[in-house]
Amino acid sequence: QVQLVQSGAEVKKPGSSVKVSCKASGGTFSTYGISWVRQAPGQGLEWMGGIIPIFGTANYAQKFQGRVTITADESTSTAYMELSSLRSEDTAVYYCARDLNRYNWNGHFDYWGQGTLVTVSS
Amino acid sequence: QSALTQPASVSGSPGQSITISCTGTSSDVGSYNLVSWYQHHPGKAPKLMIYEVNKRPSGVSNRFSGSKSGNTASLTISGLQAEDEADYYCCSYAGSSTLVFGGGSKLTVL
Repeated sequence: QVQLVQSGAEVKKPGSSVKVSCKASGGTFSTYGISWVRQAPGQGLEWMGGIIPIFGTANYAQKFQGRVTITADESTSTAYMELSSLRSEDTAVYYCARDLNRYNWNGHFDYWGQGTLVTVSS
Repeated sequence: QSALTQPASVSGSPGQSITISCTGTSSDVGSYNLVSWYQHHPGKAPKLMIYEVNKRPSGVSNRFSGSKSGNTASLTISGLQAEDEADYYCCSYAGSSTLVFGGGSKLTVL
């Protein structure tokens, strides 16, 4: 059974950066896309970007271009999302999610991490 | 990449059917049969209910069905049950390896 386990909650100051991890177990890591999706309080789900580890290149939503970096370490089956220049509006629960199909971007996420709350506050 | 448009809320009585719409553009929903639907209970991770417009993952009730016409996708839940009360989100491939979610619809079972 595939499991995605994310790192713990973070409290950050405005202007700083945060890096959230997502460790996969129970399945093949490298060939499935891992996306990062966030949900701000009272708001909907928002796709930030993702990566297919075996290909190594990440893709990002236009809104986050230049501010988010998504990477993957195949040796530890862990994906990372780093968001910089944090502002209060970035306060949200951040999820990692695995795509259903291999080698493709479909947006069909069959496995999700438990979510990581990132609070941005001075 | 604008969010797909969903009704903010829908409601129905137990046993009834409801349909949630998800309207995009010819650049996302209209161009690809890569629309998925998620059920999201507060405090839990979203759950995949429909993928590739109308396919159900193993374990998802056949009360859930999906369809698409032009730039609008739809999720229908038949035989509404109390446990169906949740937020529902559509998601579409939007080209160039990007994805876009809908704004979400809160389903209330009366």
